[in-house]
Amino acid sequence: DAGITQSPRYKITETGRQVTLMCHQTWSHSYMFWYRQDLGHGLRLIYYSAAADITDKGEVPDGYVVSRSKTENFPLTLESATRSQTSVYFCATQGDPYEQYFGPGTRLTVT
Amino acid sequence: SQQGEEDPQALSIQEGENATMNCSYKTSINNLQWYRQNSGRGLVHLILIRSNEREKHSGRLRVTLDTSKKSSSLLITASRAADTASYFCATYTGANSKLTFGKGITLSVRP
Repeated sequence: DAGITQSPRYKITETGRQVTLMCHQTWSHSYMFWYRQDLGHGLRLIYYSAAADITDKGEVPDGYVVSRSKTENFPLTLESATRSQTSVYFCATQGDPYEQYFGPGTRLTVT
Repeated sequence: SQQGEEDPQALSIQEGENATMNCSYKTSINNLQWYRQNSGRGLVHLILIRSNEREKHSGRLRVTLDTSKKSSSLLITASRAADTASYFCATYTGANSKLTFGKGITLSVRP
């Protein structure tokens, strides 16, 4: 089915571990985004990508790494997870004209 | 930092009443968008208004934009229990196709 999917939906990991959150879209939209959502902060942009092999930092990029080798995939990696990275993570794509389409989210808990 | 600031933070109304939510922003924009988020789900795009538009309608939604005051309002008419959700305004300045989200308004519609 067309759309945007995220995996896993829920993840519990320990401090210091590396974890990768996956995002996949079937629309071939150029732009893709990663946000984190925390109480009191709303949505904050972590990284975004304008096309395959083009990525850029958002508002809160520290501790995260992204890659985009294919248009349809935009994984987000936490290199060494910290408790402050406990959050809900949303991936989004941008369609025409400017609206964004969000995935269902990944709830990450770092213990 | 947040570009959009929604007001009020929380709103509780009776089914059938109208709900009005406000958003203020700080810098010049290309367009302003409203999104809805049901509990535990991703954001869903509701409506977009461009900087050269003053009012736009979509079903029971009416959005206004006052660029001189840097503010927007979202009106939901004849509210339903199913409208219970968080609502976010997001501003698009045209720079790198990024949206900046406010912290959101929690709307509760009592049956």
